[in-house]
Amino acid sequence: DTAVSQTPKYLVTQMGNDKSIKCEQNLGHDTMYWYKQDSKKFLKIMFSYNNKELIINETVPNRFSPKSPDKAHLNLHINSLELGDSAVYFCASSQTSGLAFFGQGTRLTVV
Amino acid sequence: KNQVEQSPQSLIILEGKNCTLQCNYTVSPFSNLRWYKQDTGRGPVSLTIMTFSENTKSNGRYTATLDADTKQSSLHITASQLSDSASYICVVTLRNAGNMLTFGGGTRLMVKP
Repeated sequence: DTAVSQTPKYLVTQMGNDKSIKCEQNLGHDTMYWYKQDSKKFLKIMFSYNNKELIINETVPNRFSPKSPDKAHLNLHINSLELGDSAVYFCASSQTSGLAFFGQGTRLTVV
Repeated sequence: KNQVEQSPQSLIILEGKNCTLQCNYTVSPFSNLRWYKQDTGRGPVSLTIMTFSENTKSNGRYTATLDADTKQSSLHITASQLSDSASYICVVTLRNAGNMLTFGGGTRLMVKP
């Protein structure tokens, strides 16, 4: 069973579209994260959700919005996609300061 | 500013050789430090996690060290294998309510036969 699962794995879309990436964890963790990995392979945190409350938002454009319907899910919505949004997006979860488990990533390509 | 810097950025070694990757951080207050291995096209997978009081931790052929005074960590890989080719990422957790993770830029390791 996959601990942290993301869908879709690949997403190709046109500029200006709105898209969502889903993330689910079955580990019972209380914190979930979204990361963006740029072309230089550098991981940057975008959001952190703890007990359904947004804890961190690292100067991410407001076109990006996390939605957590419950403790096991943290979806990423992106409006008006831009070319620069092309990257691999990783979801992760952890229990407080414990080990973070990562999903396999979603490769987003904006054309 | 909380930062994590890794060196070298990339490294090529021959199969069977040892290597050491470096991580320097300025994150404060510090909670723990982790080393992750990320294969191409995959999500990061944890290798080790160390808290403030731990100086070394091993996971098979991987041995991580931590000097909390100098804020330095290293990851030593012994008897490298072709499957060790990956990116190795140092991650430091900030001790606050959000447990923010700060990622280093990673070291790209390539093991050649």
